[in-house]
Order: sequence, then C-alpha cells, then structure tokens
Amino acid sequence: AQKVTQAQTEISVVEKEDVTLDCVYETRDTTYYLFWYKQPPSGELVFLIRRNSFDEQNEISGRYSWNFQKSTSSFNFTITASQVVDSAVYFCALSEITDSWGKLQFGAGTQVVVTP
Amino acid sequence: DSGVTQTPKHLITATGQRVTLRCSPRSGDLSVYWYQQSLDQGLQFLIQYYNGEERAKGNILERFSAQQFPDLHSELNLSSLELGDSALYFCASSRGGSPLHFGNGTRLTVT
Repeated sequence: AQKVTQAQTEISVVEKEDVTLDCVYETRDTTYYLFWYKQPPSGELVFLIRRNSFDEQNEISGRYSWNFQKSTSSFNFTITASQVVDSAVYFCALSEITDSWGKLQFGAGTQVVVTP
Repeated sequence: DSGVTQTPKHLITATGQRVTLRCSPRSGDLSVYWYQQSLDQGLQFLIQYYNGEERAKGNILERFSAQQFPDLHSELNLSSLELGDSALYFCASSRGGSPLHFGNGTRLTVT
C-alpha cells in the first residue's frame, strides 16, 4: 500500500500566487519523520524540512510554510508569493521508527510550474 | 552544495554490461544511502550502509550490490544491465539521525 500520497501531479500558477501542495501519509508507527524535498530542473534533491511526529507545530521559513495535522495524516506545504525559481518537483516523504530513519518512502511528487 | 559527491554524472552503457557508481559522503557522515529514481517506480530506497556494514535493504535487485569502504565512500555495482535499469541513482549521507543530504545523482542510460 502506498504510504505517501501526493494527489496533485502538477500545479501551474502565475508568479506571486500562493500554491499549496498536499501530502497524505499512512503509517502504523507512533514515531516517524516527515520530509519535503525539492527537485529543480537541474535534478538534484534539496532538503527543505523534517518534522517528527511529536511536533505538530506549523513552521514557516521565509516564503515556505508547512502545516502538519496528525488527525488527518497530512503534511501540507505552502509557497507564498511564488517565484519562477520555485518551479520544481516537490516530494513529500516518510520514515518510520520500525525501519531505518534514512529509509525514506517518497510520494510521487508534485510538479510546480510558475510562470511570469 | 550538499557535500555529497557522486561520480560519474552520466553513464551510458549497453545491456548486459556492468557499471560502478561511486559516492563520497559528507565529511563525518557514517551512513550512506542509495536511491533510484525512475519514471515508472519513482524515488525508491535501495540500500543503506553504516560505517561499513549493511544496515537496511529496500527493493534492491539481486543484480545490484553495494559496499562501503573504510574511508566511508560507497560504491553501487549494477550488473547484467537491462533497459529498465536506466534511471537517476542518488546517494545520500547522514550522521546521528540528521536529515539525508543527497548528491547530484548519476544518470544511467542503458541502450
């Protein structure tokens, strides 16, 4: 069964619009980590955030913000006032305490296209 | 720059051949992870080494093997290559539970 679901395949926005990427996960563990990674057109994977299952505080970093809700098993990511440089594929991932912490289970990714 | 170095950046080879991908982790990182990114399977975990020992295994084919050397660099060996092995192979490293930092990947094309 898929453990991380990113239902949005592609989102297209015009610069300065906000964009929210959805991530729904499934796990039986009570302790786990959730991640977001960015993959720009150049291909590298860039770490954005890690959140552990005991910390439901929302986080903001510049134009990026994350909303973690255990009740709905969601870890959504919002880019505020999007810019062309935000164009990339964004991956949500999960790692579980019953497994290696570095064994990430990735979602299928959401392609974000920001046009000027 | 993540500090994780992967070589080569690109590799083109024929079916049936064998290749070796190399990864140098960030300084001080004891864990090395290999991931495969393909169009049909997405990003998937292959294998983890910690200080020279295999620590976790994912959906790694029997034709694939890896090792981590005393200087902590790692190699992923892919043999009897098939067209379906064409993918982007990432190495990542971490220490003490830190988040994974990925290298830029090796793009393998099997023709």
